[in-house]
Amino acid sequence: SQKIEQNSEALNIQEGKTATLTCNYTNYSPAYLQWYRQDPGRGPVFLLLIRENEKEKRKERLKVTFDTTLKQSLFHITASQPADSATYLCALEMDSSYKLIFGSGTRLLVRP
Amino acid sequence: EAGVTQSPTHLIKTRGQQVTLRCSPISGHTSVYWYQQALGLGLQFLLWYDEGEERNRGNFPPRFSGRQFPNYSSELNVNALELEDSALYLCASSPLYAYRDGYTFGSGTRLTVV
Repeated sequence: SQKIEQNSEALNIQEGKTATLTCNYTNYSPAYLQWYRQDPGRGPVFLLLIRENEKEKRKERLKVTFDTTLKQSLFHITASQPADSATYLCALEMDSSYKLIFGSGTRLLVRP
Repeated sequence: EAGVTQSPTHLIKTRGQQVTLRCSPISGHTSVYWYQQALGLGLQFLLWYDEGEERNRGNFPPRFSGRQFPNYSSELNVNALELEDSALYLCASSPLYAYRDGYTFGSGTRLTVV
């Protein structure tokens, strides 16, 4: 079955640097992949979606890439700020079931 | 515009009891999804409802059930509560077949089973 792997270790970076988070998946390549932000005790917030025919997507300081050959998506936050500290989840469609499955997320900590 | 609302925000129940969680989707959204997030773990898909019908179900026992009402709000019922049911239960909504544009989640219900 489809599995999503995100680095379980927290990413600790200095303010102003670029944070890069990785999402790897097994089995078939989904038609699209989504990224969410989750703060403690809150529901995830949708950030970006990238389709299989898109190599890269940008939104303000966020950038997502999607490599179907490597079965990997990278999520970048440029000029990171302490307010960017949160857990970031990637999600993709498991199969043609119209449901999203989520990775366990990577916690990002941006130091002032 | 109001977001996805869930109630209650917190709940403490005893093992063996039953619980009902509620979710109101964004106006115009017909699909409602339920996820379970145990402490420190990822989101596990529970149920998907659309137009009052259960469209898909995750790998959970039958004591997890729910329904969707004509106004598209939804309930999640859990019977015979077990300690491992303690988790944050999240509801999300989307327009039908527009789920690929992202889900909108509520803030969740924190259920503690003692």
